[in-house]
Amino acid sequence: GAGVSQSPRYKVAKRGQDVALRCDPISGHVSLFWYQQALGQGPEFLTYFQNEAQLDKSGLPSDRFFAERPEGSVSTLKIQRTQQEDSAVYLCASTLVRDRGNEQYFGPGTRLTVT
Amino acid sequence: TQLLEQSPQFLSIQEGENLTVYCNSSSVFSSLQWYRQEPGEGPVLLVTVVTGGEVKKLKRLTFQFGDARKDSSLHITAAQPGDTGLYLCAGVKYFNKFYFGSGTKLNVKP
Repeated sequence: GAGVSQSPRYKVAKRGQDVALRCDPISGHVSLFWYQQALGQGPEFLTYFQNEAQLDKSGLPSDRFFAERPEGSVSTLKIQRTQQEDSAVYLCASTLVRDRGNEQYFGPGTRLTVT
Repeated sequence: TQLLEQSPQFLSIQEGENLTVYCNSSSVFSSLQWYRQEPGEGPVLLVTVVTGGEVKKLKRLTFQFGDARKDSSLHITAAQPGDTGLYLCAGVKYFNKFYFGSGTKLNVKP
């Protein structure tokens, strides 16, 4: 079946603009994660959903960042009033079940550049 | 602050050489995962180790989880150009909290 898809793949925003990044997880996957990956670094956790419930948003860097998954499938990460430091690749991952050996399936990411 | 430190950050070797990548932390994890990421793609899971002292082999790759479940290593035997990529370790806490290391960028020259 299809893997995790993300759109857009690339986004250029002017400082101060709002952006919305979409994630389509693998069908039936319960858990969904958002990560931010700066150039040359590993992914950093932003937020986690189990079905439609946002159980952990401790990694969101500021109140300009907001994520939702209203029907427990597609998720949107919204960044308001973008800043240059928001430039990064935003990765989405989904897992089938809640288990300590979870395999996360990652999407290709959205590269956000704020000018 | 990264919870997991990876070393080395960069590694450039000739085809056929062996290498080891280390992933260290002062924290205990319930499991430890290794991923490989290629440019423009998301990370892809290679292995999950769960038990302290566990060793897993995947063809030419050998993964070890430290006895105290705080560190891990990845050893590649006879590296090939197809092994080139960014290797990431990720410690798992509380079932759904993943902490990634900063990665090791491996380049294997033919």
